[in-house]
Amino acid sequence: NAGVTQTPKFQVLKTGQSMTLQCAQDMNHNSMYWYRQDPGMGLRLIYYSASEGTTDKGEVPNGYNVSRLNKREFSLRLESAAPSQTSVYFCASSTRTSGYNEQFFGPGTRLTVL
Amino acid sequence: DAKTTQPPSMDCAEGRAANLPCNHSTISGNEYVYWYRQIHSQGPQYIIHGLKNNETNEMASLIITEDRKSSTLILPHATLRDTAVYYCIVRPLSSGSARQLTFGSGTQLTVLP
Repeated sequence: NAGVTQTPKFQVLKTGQSMTLQCAQDMNHNSMYWYRQDPGMGLRLIYYSASEGTTDKGEVPNGYNVSRLNKREFSLRLESAAPSQTSVYFCASSTRTSGYNEQFFGPGTRLTVL
Repeated sequence: DAKTTQPPSMDCAEGRAANLPCNHSTISGNEYVYWYRQIHSQGPQYIIHGLKNNETNEMASLIITEDRKSSTLILPHATLRDTAVYYCIVRPLSSGSARQLTFGSGTQLTVLP
């Protein structure tokens, strides 16, 4: 199992450009998440998807959109990138079938907006 | 979710036990204590969780006080690869809908050779 994979690993954008961060998991998990981590800070939730076909806002959703394409894939889109969105983005997944909610994280995408 | 307080940094000698404390004085009865760690530049990794009993797995032990207001994560024989930021998170058991993790600033554990 590859676990949670993210593409790209690194990206540099100019202000106003758009891009989509891709995330896929092969663990048959129902729930998927997008977090951002700014330097020296903990992770903050952007959006999550409790199950295929549903998405909900997290703590910091402004400037982002998401798509739960199928059970495996959950993408994060920046429509008009801003320097404040320079961050490391982590995707995670978890299963709802067990009593607790251990989350598995991908390796991250390092995004710089100039 | 209950707020947690952790020391910002700790050092530990290689081969010795690392004891990482966490205060969660406002924890409620249905909230679990989770520990994750984040090795530099990697995604966070789940370590262990517990409700009120002490727990042990292949990575660590979790000791929760009887009043549940604090806990300690124990890495029994720390190695250089255990150098990471350790996050203590308190949250309810998943109730059938996704529950996000709220990460604070954690404890930077440095294992010294």
